[in-house]
Amino acid sequence: SQTIHQWPATLVQPVGSPLSLECTVEGTSNPNLYWYRQAAGRGLQLLFYSVGIGQISSEVPQNLSASRPQDRQFILSSKKLLLSDSGFYLCAWSRSGGVIYEQYFGPGTRLTVT
Amino acid sequence: SQQGEEDPQALSIQEGENATMNCSYKTSINNLQWYRQNSGRGLVHLILIRSNEREKHSGRLRVTLDTSKKSSSLLITASRAADTASYFCATDGIGATNKLIFGTGTLLAVQP
Repeated sequence: SQTIHQWPATLVQPVGSPLSLECTVEGTSNPNLYWYRQAAGRGLQLLFYSVGIGQISSEVPQNLSASRPQDRQFILSSKKLLLSDSGFYLCAWSRSGGVIYEQYFGPGTRLTVT
Repeated sequence: SQQGEEDPQALSIQEGENATMNCSYKTSINNLQWYRQNSGRGLVHLILIRSNEREKHSGRLRVTLDTSKKSSSLLITASRAADTASYFCATDGIGATNKLIFGTGTLLAVQP
């Protein structure tokens, strides 16, 4: 069966510090991968998605970047965090192809920038 | 901007009652999906309905889709305290391959 891991679960970082959140998927090959951010009490904002190694689509211009160094690894980064980067970050995967399939989410990372 | 907007934003009911949540979207779609999120957790996929389907059932869940009105509803029958969660609709949008756009969610509280 497929499993998606995210870490860390919680993170408190000062403004201006770097960020690296990691997401890995097990039990599937060539998945589509997604990073979302959720502000408190709000819906999900799609940040990045990837359909293959090294292929990243950015949805919102911002202080963050994403990379996919391996087929089942997706990394969200920032060189200098802003207060507005605080939120709940969710990674998700779906089967690849031209059709939109259901997405499977990781447990999330709660980021607080102080 | 959000593709989907759920209504109501919050709903409080008693255990055993039915809960209905609505979702409206803006552009044509291939399919619409509903997800549940327990507080502080990741989302869990509930059901997918294709644009050529009008109704779909899964256990205590019933989803309807009206593409002429660009709207969908999620009905949870005989609700339980464990159904307390936020519920989101998500749509793909024709031409928007590989990604979903999520609505703002309905927070459901089921009182025991």
